[in-house]
Amino acid sequence: GAVVSQHPSWVICKSGTSVKIECRSLDFQATTMFWYRQFPKQSLMLMATSNEGSKATYEQGVEKDKFLINHASLTLSTLTVTSAHPEDSSFYICSASPLRYNEQFFGPGTRLTVL
Amino acid sequence: AQSVSQHNHHVILSEAASLELGCNYSYGGTVNLFWYVQYPGQHLQLLLKYFSGDPLVKGIKGFEAEFIKSKFSFNLRKPSVQWSDTAEYFCAVNAGTDKLIFGTGTRLQVFP
Repeated sequence: GAVVSQHPSWVICKSGTSVKIECRSLDFQATTMFWYRQFPKQSLMLMATSNEGSKATYEQGVEKDKFLINHASLTLSTLTVTSAHPEDSSFYICSASPLRYNEQFFGPGTRLTVL
Repeated sequence: AQSVSQHNHHVILSEAASLELGCNYSYGGTVNLFWYVQYPGQHLQLLLKYFSGDPLVKGIKGFEAEFIKSKFSFNLRKPSVQWSDTAEYFCAVNAGTDKLIFGTGTRLQVFP
């Protein structure tokens, strides 16, 4: 149990385009979902926390107009990278938590490459 | 601000050697502590967690960790590593919120 999927697993796009990444909890309802960014050989940096039906809470330094997060249901959250640029290339990982303050279950990540 | 430090960035061991990876955090209140593992090409998996109770926590695959409150530490240990333990290991803390703060990770390489 507690499986989290992400789609797509990798994406290549041109600079200036927008990319949407989906995160789904397959066998549980996620009251909270998290989006992280991981640079090569570095740790996970939390970008934002989203609760179903409410606006996401972004970490300091994360542009909310650039990284749009929608958590429309208890099993789906989406991250849209708007007007992507090469510096947005990274590994984006989502996680989902069935209860607040409980553990998080991680998705497999999405590799974004912006040309 | 809360932070998590992992002192060992890269550890190289032979099979059957003992392992200890350090993790220290900065937060004075109640914490929940986690160790995650990321095998090559795979997603993060939970090795073990500490919420309360016995400070010596046993996890999967023979790993254990000890919470020492006075030292703000949660070191990961395994008495005898295997080649299949080659992976990236992350310590994480949440303290009073639902956010996880991750350490920088330790890359473990185990040679046969």
